Amino acid sequence: GAVVSQHPSRVICKSGTSVKIECRSLDFQATTMFWYRQFPKQSLMLMATSNEGSKATYEQGVEKDKFLINHASLTLSTLTVTSAHPEDSSFYICSAILDGNSNQPQHFGDGTRLSIL
Amino acid sequence: GQSLEQPSEVTAVEGAIVQMNCTYQTSGFYGLSWYQQHDGGAPTFLSYNALDGLEETGRFSSFLSRSDSYGYLLLQELQMKDSASYFCAVSLNRDDKIIFGKGTRLHILP
Repeated sequence: GAVVSQHPSRVICKSGTSVKIECRSLDFQATTMFWYRQFPKQSLMLMATSNEGSKATYEQGVEKDKFLINHASLTLSTLTVTSAHPEDSSFYICSAILDGNSNQPQHFGDGTRLSIL
Repeated sequence: GQSLEQPSEVTAVEGAIVQMNCTYQTSGFYGLSWYQQHDGGAPTFLSYNALDGLEETGRFSSFLSRSDSYGYLLLQELQMKDSASYFCAVSLNRDDKIIFGKGTRLHILP
Protein backbone atom coordinates (compact mmCIF):
# COMPACT_ATOMS: atom_id res chain seq x y z
CA GLY A 1 0.00 0.00 0.00
CA ALA A 2 0.91 3.65 -0.23
CA VAL A 3 3.56 4.83 2.19
CA VAL A 4 3.38 8.51 1.28
CA SER A 5 0.11 10.41 1.24
CA GLN A 6 -0.25 13.72 -0.57
CA HIS A 7 -3.22 16.06 -0.24
CA PRO A 8 -5.08 17.55 -1.98
CA SER A 9 -4.91 15.67 -5.26
CA ARG A 10 -6.26 18.59 -7.25
CA VAL A 11 -6.65 22.30 -6.65
CA ILE A 12 -8.29 24.89 -8.86
CA CYS A 13 -8.18 28.45 -7.60
CA LYS A 14 -7.99 32.08 -8.60
CA SER A 15 -4.81 33.98 -9.25
CA GLY A 16 -3.38 35.51 -6.09
CA THR A 17 -4.49 32.68 -3.83
CA SER A 18 -2.01 30.86 -1.64
CA VAL A 19 -2.23 27.08 -1.80
CA LYS A 20 -0.93 24.59 0.74
CA ILE A 21 -0.04 21.01 -0.20
CA GLU A 22 0.59 18.36 2.44
CA CYS A 23 2.87 15.38 2.22
CA ARG A 24 2.64 12.74 4.93
CA SER A 25 4.68 9.65 5.53
CA LEU A 26 2.48 6.79 6.67
CA ASP A 27 3.75 4.42 9.36
CA PHE A 28 7.32 5.65 9.16
CA GLN A 29 9.32 8.70 10.07
CA ALA A 30 10.80 10.75 7.27
CA THR A 31 13.54 13.15 8.26
CA THR A 32 13.97 14.07 4.63
CA MET A 33 11.30 14.75 2.02
CA PHE A 34 11.57 16.15 -1.46
CA TRP A 35 9.32 18.35 -3.54
CA TYR A 36 9.19 18.06 -7.32
CA ARG A 37 7.40 19.94 -10.03
CA GLN A 38 6.42 18.56 -13.40
CA PHE A 39 5.09 20.45 -16.40
CA PRO A 40 3.14 18.56 -19.09
CA LYS A 41 5.24 16.13 -21.11
CA GLN A 42 8.36 17.04 -19.15
CA SER A 43 10.44 15.37 -16.48
CA LEU A 44 10.26 15.81 -12.73
CA MET A 45 12.31 18.76 -11.57
CA LEU A 46 13.48 18.84 -7.99
CA MET A 47 12.42 22.04 -6.27
CA ALA A 48 13.70 21.58 -2.76
CA THR A 49 14.79 19.18 -0.07
CA SER A 50 12.74 19.40 3.10
CA ASN A 51 14.55 18.58 6.33
CA GLU A 52 12.69 18.06 9.58
CA GLY A 53 13.51 20.74 12.09
CA SER A 54 15.60 22.87 9.78
CA LYS A 55 15.27 25.10 6.76
CA ALA A 56 14.60 23.57 3.39
CA THR A 57 17.33 23.48 0.76
CA TYR A 58 16.14 24.96 -2.51
CA GLU A 59 17.45 24.13 -5.96
CA GLN A 60 18.88 26.86 -8.09
CA GLY A 61 16.22 29.03 -9.66
CA VAL A 62 13.47 28.12 -7.18
CA GLU A 63 12.16 31.11 -5.23
CA LYS A 64 12.07 30.22 -1.56
CA ASP A 65 9.72 33.11 -0.76
CA LYS A 66 7.34 31.87 -3.43
CA PHE A 67 7.40 28.21 -2.43
CA LEU A 68 7.36 27.97 1.34
CA ILE A 69 8.30 24.62 2.79
CA ASN A 70 7.68 23.57 6.36
CA HIS A 71 8.75 20.23 7.81
CA ALA A 72 7.56 20.59 11.36
CA SER A 73 7.25 16.92 12.22
CA LEU A 74 8.81 13.63 11.22
CA THR A 75 5.73 12.67 9.23
CA LEU A 76 4.60 15.90 7.59
CA SER A 77 6.04 18.36 5.13
CA THR A 78 4.00 21.14 3.56
CA LEU A 79 4.56 23.18 0.43
CA THR A 80 2.76 26.52 0.20
CA VAL A 81 2.59 28.24 -3.15
CA THR A 82 2.16 31.87 -2.18
CA SER A 83 0.16 34.29 -4.31
CA ALA A 84 -0.14 31.72 -7.06
CA HIS A 85 -0.32 32.82 -10.69
CA PRO A 86 -1.22 30.90 -13.85
CA GLU A 87 2.45 30.13 -14.54
CA ASP A 88 2.53 28.20 -11.24
CA SER A 89 0.00 25.73 -12.63
CA SER A 90 1.77 22.39 -12.60
CA PHE A 91 1.88 18.91 -11.12
CA TYR A 92 3.58 18.96 -7.71
CA ILE A 93 4.87 15.69 -6.26
CA CYS A 94 6.49 14.93 -2.95
CA SER A 95 8.64 12.00 -1.95
CA ALA A 96 10.18 10.63 1.20
CA ILE A 97 13.09 8.43 2.10
CA LEU A 98 12.25 5.30 4.03
CA ASP A 99 15.30 4.86 6.21
CA GLY A 100 17.00 1.54 5.85
CA ASN A 101 15.20 0.63 2.64
CA SER A 102 18.03 0.32 0.19
CA ASN A 103 15.84 -1.30 -2.46
CA GLN A 104 13.87 1.82 -3.18
CA PRO A 105 15.52 5.20 -2.81
CA GLN A 106 12.35 7.26 -2.46
CA HIS A 107 8.61 6.76 -2.11
CA PHE A 108 6.38 9.17 -4.02
CA GLY A 109 3.02 10.64 -3.18
CA ASP A 110 0.24 10.63 -5.76
CA GLY A 111 0.85 14.26 -6.68
CA THR A 112 -1.19 17.45 -6.63
CA ARG A 113 -2.41 19.01 -9.82
CA LEU A 114 -2.56 22.76 -9.35
CA SER A 115 -4.53 24.90 -11.78
CA ILE A 116 -4.51 28.66 -11.33
CA LEU A 117 -7.17 30.57 -13.21
CA GLY B 1 26.07 19.83 -14.02
CA GLN B 2 24.06 16.66 -13.96
CA SER B 3 22.74 15.01 -17.09
CA LEU B 4 20.81 11.85 -17.84
CA GLU B 5 20.10 10.95 -21.43
CA GLN B 6 17.17 8.83 -22.56
CA PRO B 7 15.60 8.39 -25.99
CA SER B 8 12.50 10.54 -26.15
CA GLU B 9 10.24 7.89 -27.68
CA VAL B 10 10.22 4.18 -28.37
CA THR B 11 7.59 2.13 -30.20
CA ALA B 12 7.12 -1.62 -29.82
CA VAL B 13 4.56 -4.28 -30.56
CA GLU B 14 2.33 -5.97 -28.01
CA GLY B 15 3.89 -9.20 -26.80
CA ALA B 16 7.40 -8.18 -27.80
CA ILE B 17 10.42 -7.11 -25.76
CA VAL B 18 11.69 -3.54 -25.52
CA GLN B 19 14.84 -2.05 -24.06
CA MET B 20 15.06 1.56 -22.92
CA ASN B 21 18.51 3.01 -22.35
CA CYS B 22 19.85 5.59 -19.96
CA THR B 23 23.30 7.16 -19.84
CA TYR B 24 24.32 9.52 -17.12
CA GLN B 25 26.96 12.07 -16.17
CA THR B 26 26.58 13.12 -12.55
CA SER B 27 28.71 14.51 -9.78
CA GLY B 28 28.05 11.43 -7.67
CA PHE B 29 26.47 8.02 -8.03
CA TYR B 30 24.84 5.79 -5.47
CA GLY B 31 22.26 3.98 -7.57
CA LEU B 32 20.05 4.04 -10.65
CA SER B 33 16.30 3.66 -10.37
CA TRP B 34 13.49 3.39 -12.87
CA TYR B 35 9.97 4.80 -12.66
CA GLN B 36 6.86 4.38 -14.74
CA GLN B 37 4.42 7.23 -15.14
CA HIS B 38 1.06 7.08 -16.88
CA ASP B 39 -0.53 10.28 -18.12
CA GLY B 40 -1.97 12.22 -15.21
CA GLY B 41 -0.47 9.91 -12.60
CA ALA B 42 2.44 9.95 -10.22
CA PRO B 43 5.68 8.03 -10.81
CA THR B 44 5.60 4.39 -9.82
CA PHE B 45 8.80 2.70 -8.72
CA LEU B 46 9.90 -0.19 -10.92
CA SER B 47 13.48 -1.14 -10.15
CA TYR B 48 16.73 -0.07 -8.54
CA ASN B 49 20.38 -0.98 -9.22
CA ALA B 50 23.17 -0.04 -6.88
CA LEU B 51 25.61 -2.64 -8.22
CA ASP B 52 26.53 -3.76 -11.70
CA GLY B 53 24.41 -6.42 -13.27
CA LEU B 54 20.84 -7.36 -13.92
CA GLU B 55 17.90 -7.08 -11.52
CA GLU B 56 14.73 -8.92 -12.45
CA THR B 57 11.23 -8.27 -11.16
CA GLY B 58 8.58 -10.13 -13.08
CA ARG B 59 8.35 -8.78 -16.63
CA PHE B 60 10.73 -5.94 -15.80
CA SER B 61 14.52 -6.17 -15.66
CA SER B 62 17.04 -3.41 -15.11
CA PHE B 63 20.73 -3.45 -15.89
CA LEU B 64 23.57 -1.26 -14.68
CA SER B 65 27.17 -0.80 -15.75
CA ARG B 66 28.83 1.77 -13.53
CA SER B 67 32.04 1.77 -15.54
CA ASP B 68 30.05 2.79 -18.63
CA SER B 69 27.68 5.11 -16.74
CA TYR B 70 24.91 3.23 -18.46
CA GLY B 71 21.80 1.34 -17.63
CA TYR B 72 18.69 0.02 -19.29
CA LEU B 73 15.20 -1.13 -18.49
CA LEU B 74 13.93 -4.22 -20.25
CA LEU B 75 10.22 -4.97 -20.55
CA GLN B 76 9.10 -8.40 -21.71
CA GLU B 77 5.75 -9.65 -22.96
CA LEU B 78 4.60 -6.13 -23.60
CA GLN B 79 1.02 -5.26 -22.82
CA MET B 80 -1.03 -2.27 -23.92
CA LYS B 81 -1.10 -1.03 -20.33
CA ASP B 82 2.69 -0.63 -20.50
CA SER B 83 2.18 2.44 -22.67
CA ALA B 84 3.60 5.16 -20.43
CA SER B 85 6.64 7.30 -19.81
CA TYR B 86 9.66 5.68 -18.21
CA PHE B 87 12.21 7.70 -16.27
CA CYS B 88 15.63 6.73 -15.11
CA ALA B 89 16.93 8.53 -12.05
CA VAL B 90 20.31 8.72 -10.34
CA SER B 91 20.75 8.86 -6.58
CA LEU B 92 23.76 11.06 -5.99
CA ASN B 93 24.35 9.81 -2.46
CA ARG B 94 22.61 7.58 0.04
CA ASP B 95 19.54 9.29 1.46
CA ASP B 96 20.02 12.21 -0.88
CA LYS B 97 18.15 13.76 -3.76
CA ILE B 98 17.72 11.92 -7.02
CA ILE B 99 18.00 13.44 -10.45
CA PHE B 100 15.56 12.38 -13.15
CA GLY B 101 16.16 11.88 -16.83
CA LYS B 102 13.75 13.42 -19.33
CA GLY B 103 11.98 10.13 -19.81
CA THR B 104 11.17 7.80 -22.68
CA ARG B 105 7.66 7.69 -24.00
CA LEU B 106 6.79 4.07 -24.82
CA HIS B 107 4.13 3.46 -27.45
CA ILE B 108 2.70 -0.05 -27.76
CA LEU B 109 1.15 -1.15 -31.03
CA PRO B 110 -1.44 -3.94 -31.12
